[in-house]
Amino acid sequence: DAKTTQPTSMDCAEGRAANLPCNHSTISGNEYVYWYRQIHSQGPQYIIHGLKNNETNEMASLIITEDRKSSTLILPHATLRDTAVYYCIVSTDSWGKLQFGAGTQVVVTP
Amino acid sequence: DTAVSQTPKYLVTQMGNDKSIKCEQNLGHDTMYWYKQDSKKFLKIMFSYNNKELIINETVPNRFSPKSPDKAHLNLHINSLELGDSAVYFCASSQPWAGQGASGTQYFGPGTRLLVL
Repeated sequence: DAKTTQPTSMDCAEGRAANLPCNHSTISGNEYVYWYRQIHSQGPQYIIHGLKNNETNEMASLIITEDRKSSTLILPHATLRDTAVYYCIVSTDSWGKLQFGAGTQVVVTP
Repeated sequence: DTAVSQTPKYLVTQMGNDKSIKCEQNLGHDTMYWYKQDSKKFLKIMFSYNNKELIINETVPNRFSPKSPDKAHLNLHINSLELGDSAVYFCASSQPWAGQGASGTQYFGPGTRLLVL
C-alpha cells in the first residue's frame, strides 16, 4: 500500500475551519483515501473516505486532487473536542489492512 | 449499545503469565481485527478475521493466538507475556471487501491497556 505524508502538528482556532493536508504521491488506482482520528486515550475513530470524488459527511469534507496525489480533510467548524491525532491512510479495499503512520496532532485552541 | 467492546480495560500482570483479552461487536460485521499501539503511539495491525477465518497475520509471535468463536467475537490470548508486550490493544470491526471502501471503514473498541511487570 502507498504511504502518506502529513505535517507533524497543526493548531487551529475554535470555530474556524481546519484544513489538514496529506500527500500520497504513490497512490494506485484502486486505493482509497481514509481519514481517522484518535482522541487521547480513546480508540481510533473513522471520519471519512474517498476514491476519486470529493466526499462530505456530518463530520468532515474530503477533497482529493484530480491526480489523486494529495488530499485535504476539512473540519468546517473546529471545536475543542476535535483536538486529536488525525491519520491519513491509503489502502485498497482488500481485507481492511490499514497502515497507520504518525498522523497530525491537531490542537484546537479557544 | 456499545458497538465494539473490549474486556478488560486495564490488565497488569507479571512476566511469564498467560492472559486473554476479549472483544465483542454488535454491528453485524463479518470482519474483526486486533491492533497494537506501542509506547511510541504507532498503531499496527496484528490479525484480521473474516467470518471466523484468519485472513491477516502480520508476523506476530506465536505467543499471540487469536480465537474467533463466532462472527461477533474475536479474543486475543497471549502466552508467556514479555515486557515488550506492554501496549494498548485495540479491537476493530468492519464489513469485508464489498467495494466502496467498506473494509477500510473500521470501528474501534476503547482499547485494553496491558502492562507487563
